[in-house]
Amino acid sequence: QIQLVQSGPELKKPGESVKISCKASGYTFTDYAMHWVKQAPGKGLKWMGWINTYTGKPTYADDFKGRFVFSLEASASTANLQISNLKNEDTATYFCAREYYDGTYPLMDAWGQGASVTVSS
Amino acid sequence: DIQMTQSPASLSASLDEIVTITCQASQDIGNWLAWYQQKPGKSPQLLIYGATSLADGVPSRFSGSRSGTQYSLKISRLQVEDTGIYYCLQRYSAPYTFGAGTKLELK
Repeated sequence: QIQLVQSGPELKKPGESVKISCKASGYTFTDYAMHWVKQAPGKGLKWMGWINTYTGKPTYADDFKGRFVFSLEASASTANLQISNLKNEDTATYFCAREYYDGTYPLMDAWGQGASVTVSS
Repeated sequence: DIQMTQSPASLSASLDEIVTITCQASQDIGNWLAWYQQKPGKSPQLLIYGATSLADGVPSRFSGSRSGTQYSLKISRLQVEDTGIYYCLQRYSAPYTFGAGTKLELK
């Protein structure tokens, strides 16, 4: 079955960097794009952008340009999110989500369990 | 950016009651809308896509509809397992935007 398994919780200090992984299984990794979604504690969902898992080309929402990098380890069926120069407001759970296309509409049909990042001095 | 105005922010309903949650898009997004359910500490689960199509494995008591730029999620007979937070998501144009969420509780 389709699974997205994300890396474990991280506790970081302001200014440090963090790398979150999302390992896919149960399907051909490069056939489906991957989205990233942020959820701050007690808040709603915010779309960060997506990465084409065939070409490796990332697309970022405006609020996530600069310190955020989407990357791939295609041979390991893994998508990564790296955040540099961490700020307190980066404290959140980050989800990866697979993009599936039913022939007419795109849908994020499978999600990772979420990776918690806490930024605190 | 397209704004999705979701209402109500919270809702308390009884078992077997009909529940309706709505999202108003700030511009025409066609049928490019999805609904998700999220339970505490869990990832969102897809319920509806293409405004009206039921995702695989989702109970038939869930349905989606559209009237112009207003979208609705209806639960025909509320069950205990339907509690959680519901989000709409527009997939018409990037940046893709979620509604603020509706917290659904049992009365």
